[in-house]
Amino acid sequence: AIQLTQSPSSLSASVGDRVTITCRASQGISSAFAWFQQKPGKPPQLLIYDASTLESGVPSRFSGSGTGTDFTLTIDSLQPEDLATYYCQHFDTYLSSFGQGTRVDI
Amino acid sequence: QITLRESGPTQLKPTQTLTLTCTFSGFSLTTGGVGVVWLRQSPGKAPEWLAHLYWNEDERYSPSLESRLTVTTGTSKNQVVLTLTNVDPVDTATYYCAHSFDYYDNRGYLSSAFDVWGQGTVVTVSS
Repeated sequence: AIQLTQSPSSLSASVGDRVTITCRASQGISSAFAWFQQKPGKPPQLLIYDASTLESGVPSRFSGSGTGTDFTLTIDSLQPEDLATYYCQHFDTYLSSFGQGTRVDI
Repeated sequence: QITLRESGPTQLKPTQTLTLTCTFSGFSLTTGGVGVVWLRQSPGKAPEWLAHLYWNEDERYSPSLESRLTVTTGTSKNQVVLTLTNVDPVDTATYYCAHSFDYYDNRGYLSSAFDVWGQGTVVTVSS
């Protein structure tokens, strides 16, 4: 099974900062890659799918990129409401796996 | 508007069978490219994918839990039921169902995105 390793596991940033979260796959994978945001007590919310497609209704300060083994979530101009844990996820041959999460503090 | 809601027991004893129902609205499971996914999340951990029921009745399961899991349509057309047999305290988690839609990735393979999630239901397994 493909393993996803996120880094960093946590970070602290200020409002207005640009934040980058990385997810590395244990082997080369397709673009079937997603990013989720989860706020305390809430279910995960889809931000990005197909590595770089912004989900409808998600602010444009969120963007995704990457190919092969390395994928990135970027938050331009961090906002107070972006305090959350972020998870990467891969979908491969009808199976799915998640990274361990990155907690973003503001 | 798509909504999903999980329901079922909140507490079970080891070896019992967990049956959860996902009741949804805003979509039909007979529409091409649509599916319902079950996931769970233990406190402080990442979500874990459990099972996926597709619009064409195809079923997929996590390899590590496949022998204990079953996903089916419920008695109503807008319900999906997850069954997990022989539960253990390690199965304690918040269980979610989610709507999925299909798309083709950069290799031309069919993939799914989990775009709308239910609020989740907490299940505790303890003797």
